[in-house]
Amino acid sequence: EPEVTQTPSHQVTQMGQEVILRCVPISNHLYFYWYRQILGQKVEFLVSFYNNEISEKSEIFDDQFSVERPDGSNFTLKIRSTKLEDSAMYFCASSVRTVENSPLHFGNGTRLTVT
Amino acid sequence: DAKTTQPTSMDCAEGRAANLPCNHSTISGNEYVYWYRQIHSQGPQYIIHGLKNNETNEMASLIITEDRKSSTLILPHATLRDTAVYYCIVPNFGNEKLTFGTGTRLTIIP
Repeated sequence: EPEVTQTPSHQVTQMGQEVILRCVPISNHLYFYWYRQILGQKVEFLVSFYNNEISEKSEIFDDQFSVERPDGSNFTLKIRSTKLEDSAMYFCASSVRTVENSPLHFGNGTRLTVT
Repeated sequence: DAKTTQPTSMDCAEGRAANLPCNHSTISGNEYVYWYRQIHSQGPQYIIHGLKNNETNEMASLIITEDRKSSTLILPHATLRDTAVYYCIVPNFGNEKLTFGTGTRLTIIP
């Protein structure tokens, strides 16, 4: 069964550094998402992406965050200048249609640790 | 997303059926009920979804009441690997996101 893959599985970075988290969504999916989960807290929506542009973003997704689908297969999340509070699990997801019409398929996440 | 209410935690004996309830009294006529689960720090995993009729797949069954204000996820023969947090979500039309609550922490007891 096709799956969403994320790399790296664990990323450690220093505060103020830029990080790029990578995802390969399922190949025939058209909608792409990033979620995050701070340890012990709920899974939170960050951003959705469709037709090469952001379709919705949360308050968390400020100017320090950006997403890109550079080559038709990868989907990346960039954090320009990491903060301690960015430490979390970051999950990529994809779907065939919008969330109310089709299930999301999630990757197993990247654990980001900011020191 | 329409508000959902789930018990905080449940236990179930291994091999028995696990029945996880969810209330979604504000659901609209065209909104689906989705169930996901998250096994210890892994990514959320889609289980099943339905609109009005009961649904069954290789993982679970979903029973939706006739008024659609509540549903029950049934894992027919629970195994230790079914220990997870289970989320009942009703996405709103026009939203591009799922809103995860705290879900039900299901523990399968050997």
